[in-house]
Amino acid sequence: SAVISQKPSRDICQRGTSLTIQCQVDSQVTMMFWYRQQPGQSLTLIATANQGSEATYESGFVIDKFPISRPNLTFSTLTVSNMSPEDSSIYLCSVCRGFMNTEAFFGQGTRLTVV
Amino acid sequence: DAKTTQPPSMDCAEGRAANLPCNHSTISGNEYVYWYRQIHSQGPQYIIHGLKNNETNEMASLIITEDRKSSTLILPHATLRDTAVYYCIVRTTDQFYFGTGTSLTVIP
Repeated sequence: SAVISQKPSRDICQRGTSLTIQCQVDSQVTMMFWYRQQPGQSLTLIATANQGSEATYESGFVIDKFPISRPNLTFSTLTVSNMSPEDSSIYLCSVCRGFMNTEAFFGQGTRLTVV
Repeated sequence: DAKTTQPPSMDCAEGRAANLPCNHSTISGNEYVYWYRQIHSQGPQYIIHGLKNNETNEMASLIITEDRKSSTLILPHATLRDTAVYYCIVRTTDQFYFGTGTSLTVIP
């Protein structure tokens, strides 16, 4: 398994501000993913972050709103920019490990509330 | 996009087997079926995955029909700690796309 640490675990932010979420993995991984889970909903993939290249965003998500950094093989950040109450969600970091990246492991998430 | 259909909720008596169905009628030959679960306020947890054959591990069994259009996750002896949302995922690419899942409640 992979140990994934996310910071902060939760935050309450004012609308119009930005929050950067950090994801640290205990070993090098090729692929990292960022998900959003809105209240009472399933997980929605935001983007795939690979080291050395720009993140690939899913439909409905744009870099200006959710800029991602991937400076090395164990770390990534997701920024939620110009926040509104609709951005209140749990944001989760995930990595793939194992033979042919068969398994995905998830952090415990960052619970964001925008007021 | 999710390629699976699951019932929104199920109940199971403690100590009994929990059988969670999943339909994936458009699955392709090289796509794997994965199961994850999410206990309240935690990140999703890997349970099991398979391609064609039935699979078993210390947590559960996965039964995939011969035509691969559906599968069943079996928790052999459900406990209260198994109360969670269970997600069936057909993995198409490198990414995992989650559907709506089944909320399983284990009843004492």
